[in-house]
Amino acid sequence: AQTVTQSQPEMSVQEAETVTLSCTYDTSESNYYLFWYKQPPSRQMILVIRQEAYKQQNATENRFSVNFQKAAKSFSLKISDSQLGDTAMYFCAFTPPGNTPLVFGKGTRLSVIA
Amino acid sequence: DAGVIQSPRHEVTEMGQEVTLRCKPISGHNSLFWYRQTMMRGLELLIYFNNNVPIDDSGMPEDRFSAKMPNASFSTLKIQPSEPRDSAVYFCASSPVGGRVEKLFFGSGTQLSVL
Repeated sequence: AQTVTQSQPEMSVQEAETVTLSCTYDTSESNYYLFWYKQPPSRQMILVIRQEAYKQQNATENRFSVNFQKAAKSFSLKISDSQLGDTAMYFCAFTPPGNTPLVFGKGTRLSVIA
Repeated sequence: DAGVIQSPRHEVTEMGQEVTLRCKPISGHNSLFWYRQTMMRGLELLIYFNNNVPIDDSGMPEDRFSAKMPNASFSTLKIQPSEPRDSAVYFCASSPVGGRVEKLFFGSGTQLSVL
């Protein structure tokens, strides 16, 4: 079975600081995709960043970047210069290629403190 | 593009009642997914459809749950009879024709409370 584990149920960070959210996954596939989704209090699911397993370069989207360690099956999210609007639940997700469903972790609740 | 539309946004019902959640996927998308979100279990896949055909319903918790997709623009998730442990947020999501999975678009969810 393919599983995703987020070991930090809750985290907090001071505004303007950097925070890293952890994610590990388990799969026997060699080609797959990894995602981080943000869920603010509005409940909307927002795609933050995506990584394709065959790409060694870590994905970056503005203040969001990932540390993808394929051998260790680790996919952490780094948020730089944290802003109050980053307060949300963050979900790590995984799927093999093709039109197959995403498997999600249980999420990490991040609070950015002024 | 209106996005994935779910209704109702909130539903409060009493134990034993039938509940129907509705979803309109984005026009042209050929896959539709139903997820359930709880504090304890996070986001769980309940069922998904490709071209209106159910592909995998192994995540449906019990026979009390059923889902249909009568056409490409509409899907329902029904719970009959409802129980308090069904209280959760239910999300519908869709993805495009032959779509790469990162094109997964979520609705705003239905917050279900069963008293």
